[in-house]
Amino acid sequence: GNSVTQMEGPVTLSEEAFLTINCTYTATGYPSLFWYVQYPGEGLQLLLKATKADDKGSNKGFEATYRKETTSFHLEKGSVQVSDSAVYFCALLPLGYQKVTFGTGTKLQVIP
Amino acid sequence: EAGVAQSPRYKIIEKRQSVAFWCNPISGHATLYWYQQILGQGPKLLIQFQNNGVVDDSQLPKDRFSAERLKGVDSTLKIQPAKLEDSAVYLCASSLGSQGASNEKLFFGSGTQLSVL
Repeated sequence: GNSVTQMEGPVTLSEEAFLTINCTYTATGYPSLFWYVQYPGEGLQLLLKATKADDKGSNKGFEATYRKETTSFHLEKGSVQVSDSAVYFCALLPLGYQKVTFGTGTKLQVIP
Repeated sequence: EAGVAQSPRYKIIEKRQSVAFWCNPISGHATLYWYQQILGQGPKLLIQFQNNGVVDDSQLPKDRFSAERLKGVDSTLKIQPAKLEDSAVYLCASSLGSQGASNEKLFFGSGTQLSVL
């Protein structure tokens, strides 16, 4: 079946530190991959996506590269801010389907 | 554009009581989803509608949960009777619903936080 595995949190970083949140997946074929972010008290919102191997999704300084050989989609940011504190969810959408499968989420806390 | 609207924002009930949640998706979105998000876990799909038809309800506990999307627009999710383990945030999401789209973006509401005592 389809599944997503994320590194466990919480992740606590100082402002301007480098961020990596690991995500690996299991899926049939070549799914689309997503990172969603959930700020405190809000619903999930799409952060970035990639639809095929070697694609790089980017938004708001965050990046993730679709690695087929390692079935990974790690989220990175070069310099985090306090406002990046949130829960980050990795997700996949199998080709030809509309059912999105989410990982368990990784909580990020950025301290000044 | 207006987002996905959900109500109520919070609900506290006792076990064995019933509860209903309401969702109004983004105008023109054919696909509507109900997710259950238990604290510390990722969202789990309960039911997915395409217009007013059910596409996937394989993880919906049908002995106590029901959902409908009359007229293919807004939707209600009901729990009757509620159990302690139903305490969670219930998220509604919608998407354009292009069949087989590989980059389908989901738009989420803020959710309803349910506490069952």
